[in-house]
This record gives sequence, structure tokens and C-alpha cells, in this order.
Amino acid sequence: EADIYQTPRYLVIGTGKKITLECSQTMGHDKMYWYQQDPGMELHLIHYSYGVNSTEKGDLSSESTVSRIRTEHFPLTLESARPSHTSQYLCASSEYDADQSSGNTIYFGEGSWLTVV
Amino acid sequence: KNQVEQSPQSLIILEGKNCTLQCNYTVSPFSNLRWYKQDTGRGPVSLTIMTFSENTKSNGRYTATLDADTKQSSLHITASQLSDSASYICVVSDRGSTLGRLYFGRGTQLTVWP
Repeated sequence: EADIYQTPRYLVIGTGKKITLECSQTMGHDKMYWYQQDPGMELHLIHYSYGVNSTEKGDLSSESTVSRIRTEHFPLTLESARPSHTSQYLCASSEYDADQSSGNTIYFGEGSWLTVV
Repeated sequence: KNQVEQSPQSLIILEGKNCTLQCNYTVSPFSNLRWYKQDTGRGPVSLTIMTFSENTKSNGRYTATLDADTKQSSLHITASQLSDSASYICVVSDRGSTLGRLYFGRGTQLTVWP
């Protein structure tokens, strides 16, 4: 069982609101990731972090921002939500880089479903 | 272009039957291949991870195979159960980039009927 938690699980907010999706892991992992996934589609990397004070943008352009002040915490913020931000957001963590061999499992949280109306 | 293609897109089988899901990839240079199970509305859960030198790996009723020469992988599910109903995602990682970039397939949606 993965020790990585996301809140809220479901959120409906109005256009223009600011929201923060929380992600915490208790495994001591340095690597953390945020993915966006629309129904029936593949996951797209939007942000990642190698450790405290390290954040990078991923493959998919996103208007969200992230921070990594503590190892265990990797929140994602949308300053002004729009209907186009409606999606599922998945947080993940791993001990090593993804290209490491067996034993390096990437653990995912349960996801946060965001609906912007 | 690095891609991961999965087939079939969806599959319906009866409880107790076996099935095989396919994954073809063009990711290069190849590092490892993972299969994940994602229940509806939940996060993906790891089933197997295989490196270049491994051609089969089992996890209970799940058996994954890898042919690095033809860049193909399969996930075989034996004696399916209702709880196997989920999306199965193939994920391939490359070498050489600082992130060890992950390439995700769109998944095969498996439905097991009683």
C-alpha cells in the first residue's frame, strides 16, 4: 500500500477561483511528480521535483504552479481556475529516477478530480 | 517520436477466463517497462516492472512478457475475477534524459462479467 495522499479527492469550483491540490508522502522519497489525466487518455507530466527547493515543468504546458518546501509535501496551485482545467490530477513519488531498474516503483496517489464551472 | 500503443482499447471477458493485453512501443533508448492497474476514479497501482534483460515477470495471476527486440510487451491475466475490471496501463521509460522520462499508453479497459 502506497503512503501517498491527495486532498481533496473531488472538488467543484467556480471560474476564477484559486485552488491548491495537496499531495503528501511519508516514504521519504526525493522524486515527486504531478500528472494530468483526462478520462480514457494517457497521463501527462505537468510538474516534477527532485527534492526540496527543486521544481521543473513537465511535458504538458500547464498554468499551475508547484512548490517543494518540505520533502514530504508537493502542493499544486491554480491561481485562477478555468473550465479547461477540469481534469484528474495525479500525484506520484519514487525513490530513484524513473530509468532505474527493478525495485524502483513509482507510487501514485488516489487522484484529485477537479471540475471548474 | 517516442510512443506507447496499447491494444485492444477495450475488452470484455467472462469471469474465470484468461486474457492477454498488448503493448507496442517505440521508446528509445529503452530503460524499463511497467504495467499498472488503474481502477475507475483511483490512482494507478504497479503490477510489474521489467528491464531490458528480463523477458517475463509474474505477480500472482498477472504475467508480463517483454520482447525488447520487437519492442512488444504483453500482460496475461489468468482466471480473471470481477475485481480485475480496470484500466491496464503500459508505461515505458527511456534512458539518457535526466528525468528518465515515462511514456504512458492510453490503457486497455478490461471489464470482467460474472
